[in-house]
Amino acid sequence: TQLLEQSPQFLSIQEGENLTVYCNSSSVFSSLQWYRQEPGEGPVLLVTVVTGGEVKKLKRLTFQFGDARKDSSLHITAAQPGDTGLYLCAGFPGTYKYIFGTGTRLKVLA
Amino acid sequence: SAVISQKPSRDICQRGTSLTIQCQVDSQVTMMFWYRQQPGQSLTLIATANQGSEATYESGFVIDKFPISRPNLTFSTLTVSNLSPEDSSIYLCSVADTSYEQYFGPGTRLTVT
Repeated sequence: TQLLEQSPQFLSIQEGENLTVYCNSSSVFSSLQWYRQEPGEGPVLLVTVVTGGEVKKLKRLTFQFGDARKDSSLHITAAQPGDTGLYLCAGFPGTYKYIFGTGTRLKVLA
Repeated sequence: SAVISQKPSRDICQRGTSLTIQCQVDSQVTMMFWYRQQPGQSLTLIATANQGSEATYESGFVIDKFPISRPNLTFSTLTVSNLSPEDSSIYLCSVADTSYEQYFGPGTRLTVT
């Protein structure tokens, strides 16, 4: 069974702090995606990483795909209250479906 | 990216009844999925909705409990049958394009009393 473990599970930080969320698996994925979900809404796609070692930046968010394509990280610089939400990674193993991570609930306090 | 709508957005149902959730996409898509999510937790894939053929169900989900229809490339329904309180959850549909990027609907919050 393919699993994606995210850490930490919960994170509460002050505005302006930096944080990193990890997404780890023992399986190899063709691509990996990160989503953010706010209460009452569906997950919104943030980024897709495809190549091992790839780094993508989206404003204050930096995403990295591990060299072996088994893990990924999301780093947020100078977090803002608007970053609050549930962060989910999802791996695509090359079959027809995605494997979702366990989720990280982030709360940024003003 | 695709725009996805779901109906209803929420419902309260009595145990033993059924609820049918509709998912409408603004463009034709190959892959459509149905997920279940407990509030604040991750997503569990129920099934892949296949156009013109029976849905592909994940382990632990059966057609009798979660019948799915997909009459065309822009629409699907998920029915949750014989409701029990354990079915209280958020149900989400999603679509994926040729680049395998997923887009989600806003979800349907079901409460079973």
